Amino acid sequence: EIVLTQSPATLSLSPGERATLSCRASQSISSYLAWYQQKPGQAPRLLIYDASNRATGIPARFSGSGSGTDFTLTISSLEPEDFAVYYCQQRSNWPPTFGPGTKVDIK
Amino acid sequence: QLQLQESGPGLVKPSETLSLTCTVSGGSISSSSYYWGWIRQSPGKGLEWIGTIYSSGSTYYNPSLKSRVTVSVDTSKNQFSLKLSSVTAADTAVYYCARTTVVTRYYFDYWGQGTLVSVSS
Repeated sequence: EIVLTQSPATLSLSPGERATLSCRASQSISSYLAWYQQKPGQAPRLLIYDASNRATGIPARFSGSGSGTDFTLTISSLEPEDFAVYYCQQRSNWPPTFGPGTKVDIK
Repeated sequence: QLQLQESGPGLVKPSETLSLTCTVSGGSISSSSYYWGWIRQSPGKGLEWIGTIYSSGSTYYNPSLKSRVTVSVDTSKNQFSLKLSSVTAADTAVYYCARTTVVTRYYFDYWGQGTLVSVSS
């Protein structure tokens, strides 16, 4: 089973700042990685799939990069609604697995 | 707009079977373009994929749960269901149903709101 590690666990930033979140896989997963956003009391929302493709309706300030074992989610300029928990997920190896999450909170 | 809604008991006794249903509206569960899945989220284990089903009835389960899980589909009701047997406190979680496409299998683009299931006597 692929283990995904996310860092940092918590990221404290101000609105307008740039957020850089990391996800590392225990072995190569090519580009088969997704990113989700979850707000309290809500289901996860798909942001990015296949490492760099934005899902339908996702603002351009969200971008993903990486391949192999190291991946990054970047939020270019944080909006108030972007403060949430972000999860990565791989579908390269069976079974699909999720990372533990990075919380982006207001500084 | 596609909507998914989980339903079922919020409390299950240890050793019994957890049963949940996901009702899909705004789209057909019979579409050849989609798979339908269950994911759970607990404080201890985070997000965990449970299983996925295609409208034909083909199923795919997480090996860690496979011996206890059954996912089924009822196309006449536009629903799919989860059964998890021999539950313990470790199965206490928020259970989500979700959709994935045949192209981007196992990326979930539509989710239900989730339902909390507690396992307790």
